[in-house]
Amino acid sequence: DAKTTQPNSMESNEEEPVHLPCNHSTISGTDYIHWYRQLPSQGPEYVIHGLTSNVNNRMASLAIAEDRKSSTLILHRATLRDAAVYYCIHDSGGGADGLTFGKGTHLIIQP
Amino acid sequence: DSGVTQTPKHLITATGQRVTLRCSPRSGDLSVYWYQQSLDQGLQFLIQYYNGEERAKGNILERFSAQQFPDLHSELNLSSLELGDSALYFCASSGTSGLSHEQFFGPGTRLTVL
Repeated sequence: DAKTTQPNSMESNEEEPVHLPCNHSTISGTDYIHWYRQLPSQGPEYVIHGLTSNVNNRMASLAIAEDRKSSTLILHRATLRDAAVYYCIHDSGGGADGLTFGKGTHLIIQP
Repeated sequence: DSGVTQTPKHLITATGQRVTLRCSPRSGDLSVYWYQQSLDQGLQFLIQYYNGEERAKGNILERFSAQQFPDLHSELNLSSLELGDSALYFCASSGTSGLSHEQFFGPGTRLTVL
């Protein structure tokens, strides 16, 4: 099983950047890194994915270490609506298969 | 709104019974995935269908089965229900069987087995 390690929880203040770390030391060359988040009482929601290069989209940025054994999801300016469980997923199926979710990081945003 | 619909929202039933959960994917999406989320096991992938055919299997019990119909909607059948089957069941869809990195999740069906 592709395994990732994330902190159980993190706390940040509103309107500040948030850096959510993830270790995926067993990653191989063609495995993608996906991030999803799950807001309370909702289904998971795609945030971003990457392979080797850093990636940006309207929701977040993904910084991938040079050795690809870790990555960081960056929320540039957290809002209260970003409070959620964030899942880092190491995907060896090329994006086509079912995702293996770990326990994720519970992000708490303080006003 | 992800565009994925699931019915019913809530289901309460008794041990030993059989239930069917339904999922309609986003318009045009060919792949449907089923996941189970329980407090002790977290989110687990159960099974994937692509354009009517089973494509990948995860931690799906033999008591559970699924199918995808020609109109691309999918059903998850759970039989001989046990207390431990109480969970949130999510359906997700994506555009193709290969190279699609974004799965769109529905709101889930909460199953309670008494």
